[in-house]
Amino acid sequence: GESVGLHLPTLSVQEGDNSIINCAYSNSASDYFIWYKQESGKGPQFIIDIRSNMDKRQGQRVTVLLNKTVKHLSLQIAATQPGDSAVYFCAYNFNKFYFGSGTKLNVKP
Amino acid sequence: GAVVSQHPSWVICKSGTSVKIECRSLDFQATTMFWYRQFPKQSLMLMATSNEGSKATYEQGVEKDKFLINHASLTLSTLTVTSAHPEDSSFYICSAQQGSGAEAFFGQGTRLTVV
Repeated sequence: GESVGLHLPTLSVQEGDNSIINCAYSNSASDYFIWYKQESGKGPQFIIDIRSNMDKRQGQRVTVLLNKTVKHLSLQIAATQPGDSAVYFCAYNFNKFYFGSGTKLNVKP
Repeated sequence: GAVVSQHPSWVICKSGTSVKIECRSLDFQATTMFWYRQFPKQSLMLMATSNEGSKATYEQGVEKDKFLINHASLTLSTLTVTSAHPEDSSFYICSAQQGSGAEAFFGQGTRLTVV
């Protein structure tokens, strides 16, 4: 089956610093990747996506990098704010949407 | 973005009863809907994929007779947890996709507690 991890790791950053959240995926045929933000008790919220024909895409304060060679995806958040505190998941599409293990981001004021 | 509505947002039921969760795409037609289960502090685990008008495809280890999925229209999919037990207590989330390779939009989730 697809790799889905357990037990969320935590990343703590100071407000104003940049955050980098990483994700590894297992299916090399995946061609569409999405980063989601999930706040406690809520469903995932779309942040940014990237297709496999790109290696970088930028949004507002966020950048997604895709390295297909090592099957690695990262989300960079610039000038992290307290409101960014949440759990972040990558999702990758290969006929279905599978989720990576997720990272809990704590932003310290 | 598109809106996916999931109902109810929380439910408490007695052990042995069945619970139905609805997932609706409000402003687009969802050819595919996904159902996930999430335990505290864990990632979303894909349970099944449903395509309108056909039988759902279940992931390995998911009991299809326990988690009944119906995708009768392009805007509605339902998940019924049959003969629920306390170990079925979890956060259930649906998502809907308009076509292959499109973004998946998520419902707000349903917190099921079986007592």
